[in-house]
Amino acid sequence: DAGVIQSPRHEVTEMGQEVTLRCKPISGHNSLFWYRQTMMRGLELLIYFNNNVPIDDSGMPEDRFSAKMPNASFSTLKIQPSEPRDSAVYFCASSGQGLGYTFGSGTRLTVV
Amino acid sequence: QKEVEQNSGPLSVPEGAIASLNCTYSDRGSQSFFWYRQYSGKSPELIMSIYSNGDKEDGRFTAQLNKASQYVSLLIRDSQPSDSATYLCAVAYNTDKLIFGTGTRLQVFP
Repeated sequence: DAGVIQSPRHEVTEMGQEVTLRCKPISGHNSLFWYRQTMMRGLELLIYFNNNVPIDDSGMPEDRFSAKMPNASFSTLKIQPSEPRDSAVYFCASSGQGLGYTFGSGTRLTVV
Repeated sequence: QKEVEQNSGPLSVPEGAIASLNCTYSDRGSQSFFWYRQYSGKSPELIMSIYSNGDKEDGRFTAQLNKASQYVSLLIRDSQPSDSATYLCAVAYNTDKLIFGTGTRLQVFP
């Protein structure tokens, strides 16, 4: 199994631009999670999906953030417009039947 | 607000010693507990899970859970320099949703 696949690995963008992060979960996992990690706040859950349905988006910082999961093998996290305070590492993780998460390699986002 | 608390460290131990990492959580309804290891610049990786009171051993790692005290710990025996990393405690409630602590940085020196 290739694990959880995220793209891109690094993204540098200018303030105000749209950013789209992508994730392919492990096949057969029915839950998918988007986290953001910073030195100050650690790992913060942004949103999670179960069977492609958003279950809890209470961690999404504001309307500039949106996430979709159109099918069981793909999810996106979009930031529009991006701001410097969005700079962080964004992780996608998937799980099946509550056995703990498997994380992707993360996307390091820098907004200048 | 469900919280998971960890000492940020760094915790410094000599090679061969036992490293003890601690975590407390706020919600008595917590059901599942996990320890993740994160090397600098890498993603978290699951190293232990524990669901019931007591100890669970896996190689050099032992997870300990005390639900009455809302306390979970990780012991690393015969610590090696390669164990130097940040250790994240995570707690799940009645869903798949995990709440993470901010992590404890462990340094094992030769």
